[in-house]
Amino acid sequence: QITLKESGPTLVKPTQTLTLTCTFSGFSLSTSGVGVGWIRQPPGKALEWLALIYWNDDKRYSPSLKSRLTITKDTSKNQVVLTMTNMDPVDTATYYCAHHRTSGSWIFDYWGQGTLVTVSS
Amino acid sequence: DIQMTQSPSTLSASVGDRVTITCRASQSISSWLAWYQQKPGKAPKLLIYKASSLESGVPSRFSGSGSGTEFTLTISSLQPDDFATYYCQHLGTFGQGTKVEIK
Repeated sequence: QITLKESGPTLVKPTQTLTLTCTFSGFSLSTSGVGVGWIRQPPGKALEWLALIYWNDDKRYSPSLKSRLTITKDTSKNQVVLTMTNMDPVDTATYYCAHHRTSGSWIFDYWGQGTLVTVSS
Repeated sequence: DIQMTQSPSTLSASVGDRVTITCRASQSISSWLAWYQQKPGKAPKLLIYKASSLESGVPSRFSGSGSGTEFTLTISSLQPDDFATYYCQHLGTFGQGTKVEIK
C-alpha cells in the first residue's frame, strides 16, 4: 500500500531555510504519470498547495511562493525534498506531502500524516 | 489564477440530514474538481475526483456533481463520522473549506 511520511525540523528561526523530506513507499517516482506534491495548512486555516514534482522531473510551484521553493526527488531513495527559504512566522503550518495521480487533473489520493513547523525566534 | 469559493463556510446539521456544499470556480474548469474531507489533526482524505467520481472505499452517501464553474458535494444522510471540514480543489487551488458541525 502507498504510504508517505514527512520529516524535518519542528522549529526554525525567521530568515532560515526549511528543508523537509517526504519518504514514501508503495509506488515509484519513475512510473509514468506519478507525482508527489507538498501542501501546507496554517493552524485553523485552509489548505495551500506549494509544489509538485513529476516522475519525469517536471516541477510546478505555487506562483505566490515560487521564488522561495525548490522541490527535488531522489528516486533511488524514494524521497522528495522541499526547501523553502527565508522563513517567516506566517509560514508556521502543518506541511503535508501527498501522492499525486494524474487523471486529467491533479488528484492527491494518499497523504502523509503531516509535520508541524513553527517559525519563531 | 482560478479562484475556488466554497459556501457556506460553516454548516450546522443533524445526523440523517441531507447536506449540500457548493464550490464555485472563477472560470470554467470543465469537470476537473476534487473534494476532500479533513478531520481535526488528520490529513485530508480524497472523496470525489473529476467532479463526480467516487474514490474507492468512500461511502456511497457521498456524491459530487457539476461542471464548468459550479459544483456540489452532497451527503445524502449525514452520519456521525461525517462531521468534518470539506475542501474542493482544482489543480493547485483549494477552496477555503466548509466546516460541517453538529446542530
